[in-house]
Amino acid sequence: DIQMTQSPSTLSASVGDRVTITCRASQSISSWLAWYQQKPGKAPKLLIYKASSLESGVPSRFSGSGSGTEFTLTISSLQPDDFATYYCQQYNSYSASWTFGQGTKVEIK
Amino acid sequence: QITLKESGPTLVKPTQTLTLTCTFSGFSLSTSGVGVGWIRQPPGKALEWLALIYWNDDKRYSPSLKSRLTITKDTSKNQVVLTMTNMDPVDTATYYCAHQQLWLQSIDYWGQGTLVTVSS
Repeated sequence: DIQMTQSPSTLSASVGDRVTITCRASQSISSWLAWYQQKPGKAPKLLIYKASSLESGVPSRFSGSGSGTEFTLTISSLQPDDFATYYCQQYNSYSASWTFGQGTKVEIK
Repeated sequence: QITLKESGPTLVKPTQTLTLTCTFSGFSLSTSGVGVGWIRQPPGKALEWLALIYWNDDKRYSPSLKSRLTITKDTSKNQVVLTMTNMDPVDTATYYCAHQQLWLQSIDYWGQGTLVTVSS
């Protein structure tokens, strides 16, 4: 199985900060990586698919990059609505299964 | 507008089998490239992918839970059913159903989730 390591687990930041979250895969997953935002009591929301494609309706301050084993989600200027937990999700084409990262909680500093 | 909604028991006893139904609208599971899957989230913990069924009846399961899971679809009823056998208290979680497209390999629509508690 491909293991996903997401870091950091918690991030304290202020409005306006540039924020970066990283996911590392134990082996190459090409660009099969997605990012989600989840707020308490709510279902996750898709932000980025195929590593760097912005889902329709998602603000342009969110961006994704990477391929192979290392991926990043960047929020260019953190807004009050962005305080939430973020998850990466990888697709393993060998086992045809999906795995989520452990999550990153973005808190107010 | 795509919507999905989970239904099933809120409480199951250890060793019992859980059956959850996802009823959806706004798309057809007979359309090429479409899939419906299940994801769960224990209270305060991370998301865990469980299973997916595609328009062509191709089924995918989490390797760690494969022996306990079965996913089926009823295209005429716009429903997908997940069964999980031998339930244990560690299976207590919110269970989500979700829509995804083959070319995205990611989940673009989620249900609201249903909390299932496993307790005697």
